[in-house]
Amino acid sequence: GAVVSQHPSWVICKSGTSVKIECRSLDFQATTMFWYRQFPKQSLMLMATSNEGSKATYEQGVEKDKFLINHASLTLSTLTVTSAHPEDSSFYICSASPTGNTEAFFGQGTRLTVV
Amino acid sequence: AQRVTQPEKLLSVFKGAPVELKCNYSYSGSPELFWYVQYSRQRLQLLLRHISRESIKGFTADLNKGETSFHLKKPFAQEEDSAMYYCALGDIGGNKLVFGAGTILRVKS
Repeated sequence: GAVVSQHPSWVICKSGTSVKIECRSLDFQATTMFWYRQFPKQSLMLMATSNEGSKATYEQGVEKDKFLINHASLTLSTLTVTSAHPEDSSFYICSASPTGNTEAFFGQGTRLTVV
Repeated sequence: AQRVTQPEKLLSVFKGAPVELKCNYSYSGSPELFWYVQYSRQRLQLLLRHISRESIKGFTADLNKGETSFHLKKPFAQEEDSAMYYCALGDIGGNKLVFGAGTILRVKS
């Protein structure tokens, strides 16, 4: 099956710093990837749609300047949490689908802790 | 607005008992509905989708448009079914998903 990989799996950073999370489709190309956020014991909330070669589409309430998304190639999308604060601590998950496939494949997630 | 409701946070059953995980949705168009499962320490993975109408690991789910439901069922629960189950509503392509809150299924021996 298709594999989506995130890096890092976990990261701890200081308040005020920026953190970059990568999402790669390892064996397929994806023009669109999705970024979700999951708080403890809560469901996944869609943050944004990452579009290869164009601007990301953000869901209502998600600060685009806070969560920078870049989708520079067909196999890589990055999410940068800028000027991180403790309230940004969360589990971030990406998903992607091979072209023509309606099944979403998920990365293993990245646990971000801001101290 | 799209919304998925899973009313039970936790469902605990004995091995061999029937299981039904409830899911209701609201969507103005023609929905694509999915069940995703997350086993302990593993990533989210697709269990089944309504358009395929197949049974995976003994689980089935029927889309009831009249009741706007997509309940997940299994006649005889097994211990290895213990996991977090998410019902999800997709757009036409099915890739952009709105998730329910999830239901933890615990199968006791």
